[in-house]
Amino acid sequence: DSGVTQTPKHLITATGQRVTLRCSPRSGDLSVYWYQQSLDQGLQFLIQYYNGEERAKGNILERFSAQQFPDLHSELNLSSLELGDSALYFCASSARGTGNGYTFGSGTRLTVV
Amino acid sequence: AQSVTQLGSHVSVSEGALVLLRCNYSSSVPPYLFWYVQYPNQGLQLLLKYTTGATLVKGINGFEAEFKKSETSFHLTKPSAHMSDAAEYFCAVSDDAGGTSYGKLTFGQGTILTVHP
Repeated sequence: DSGVTQTPKHLITATGQRVTLRCSPRSGDLSVYWYQQSLDQGLQFLIQYYNGEERAKGNILERFSAQQFPDLHSELNLSSLELGDSALYFCASSARGTGNGYTFGSGTRLTVV
Repeated sequence: AQSVTQLGSHVSVSEGALVLLRCNYSSSVPPYLFWYVQYPNQGLQLLLKYTTGATLVKGINGFEAEFKKSETSFHLTKPSAHMSDAAEYFCAVSDDAGGTSYGKLTFGQGTILTVHP
C-alpha cells in the first residue's frame, strides 16, 4: 500500500456520460498530480494541485476538470466521455514538489463503451 | 521544456544477465531524474532518483543508475536479472530542479523488460 488511495479501481461507462475519480494523497503530502496512461500516448500529465491551488496544467481536455479540497483529497471530473478517453488514470502525491519524486496510487481503469 | 527518450520499447534478457535500460533527457534546468517500475495492474513505484551529489545512485532491488551530464543520460542497470524484474520501467525528469511546489515529472514512453529463464 503506497498510501495514495484511488477510487474506484474500475469504471465502465457509456459515451457521453460524466464520471468522477477520487484520490486521497499520502498523509502529509500537499501536492496532487493527475496522469493519464494509455497505450498510444504513454503517461501524460494532466494537472497538479498544491494545497488547494492549481499549480500546473498539462494536456488536459476542456471536458476534464479537477479540484483539491481543504482535506487535500482531489477529484478528477471527466465529462462528455468519448471512446478515446478509455485509459488508466493515476493520481500521485508529493510533500511539496518533485524533489523526492511522487508516490503513485494504483490507478482507476476507465472503460468507455 | 523537459523531455525524456527511452531507447528501446522492449528489452529481453536471460535470467542472470546484465540489465541495461537506456534513458536520455533534455532539460533547461539542472535535472532531477527518476526511474520508476510498473508491475502489471499496479501503480508506478520509485526505484531510484538523482538530485545532486554522487552521480551513481543506488535504488531498490539491486538497480542503480548513473547520471552523465555530458551525455545527458541516466541509464538504469542491474548486474544480474531475476525473473521478478519483469515489468515496465519509466525514466522521468523534473522541470523545476525539485525545489519548488510547482514542478512536475515528465515521463518517457517506458521500456518493457522481459526476463527469460
